[in-house]
Amino acid sequence: DAKTTQPPSMDCAEGRAANLPCNHSTISGNEYVYWYRQIHSQGPQYIIHGLKNNETNEMASLIITEDRKSSTLILPHATLRDTAVYYCIVRTGNQFYFGTGTSLTVIP
Amino acid sequence: DAEITQSPRHKITETGRQVTLACHQTWNHNNMFWYRQDLGHGLRLIHYSYGVQDTNKGEVSDGYSVSRSNTEDLPLTLESAASSQTSVYFCASRGTTDTQYFGPGTRLTVL
Repeated sequence: DAKTTQPPSMDCAEGRAANLPCNHSTISGNEYVYWYRQIHSQGPQYIIHGLKNNETNEMASLIITEDRKSSTLILPHATLRDTAVYYCIVRTGNQFYFGTGTSLTVIP
Repeated sequence: DAEITQSPRHKITETGRQVTLACHQTWNHNNMFWYRQDLGHGLRLIHYSYGVQDTNKGEVSDGYSVSRSNTEDLPLTLESAASSQTSVYFCASRGTTDTQYFGPGTRLTVL
């Protein structure tokens, strides 16, 4: 099973782009990369996902390297409400394997 | 609006008691999941179900059971609660798209 590695914590200035890295060097060809975030003790919230191509939605952009061994979640204009723990997840079939995530703090 | 709910939101019980945590979703999703979250471990999969009468063990299934008698509900039962099962429990569901939707969580304390 592919696992992910993320830095435990990051800071970002309000209004700036937040770039959250993730390594998934053992990912298989059919495994998707998902990003979720968790604010305080709420349930995880879906952000974005992708397989090979870069993806963008109203919340964020996902950049996946060509070899698929790493990816970056980009929050283009971070706000204080984006302070949360961000999880990079590799999906195998129907199962998600969560790591410990990156605690992002957006600083005023 | 369709949603996923969990009850109770908070529960305190004693060691050895049987406890059941409820999860109900109104999306008519076939796939449902139970996770527990502890400090330093992220979320870990306990059990999951791909449809009515289907249940499967996850990464940390010992001491837990689930049943799926209808599409909407996947109750999680702790047969004999232990202090090691003190945790926050999240239920999730997934339909035909790739996204899992999570409930608000149940905080369980076993004394």
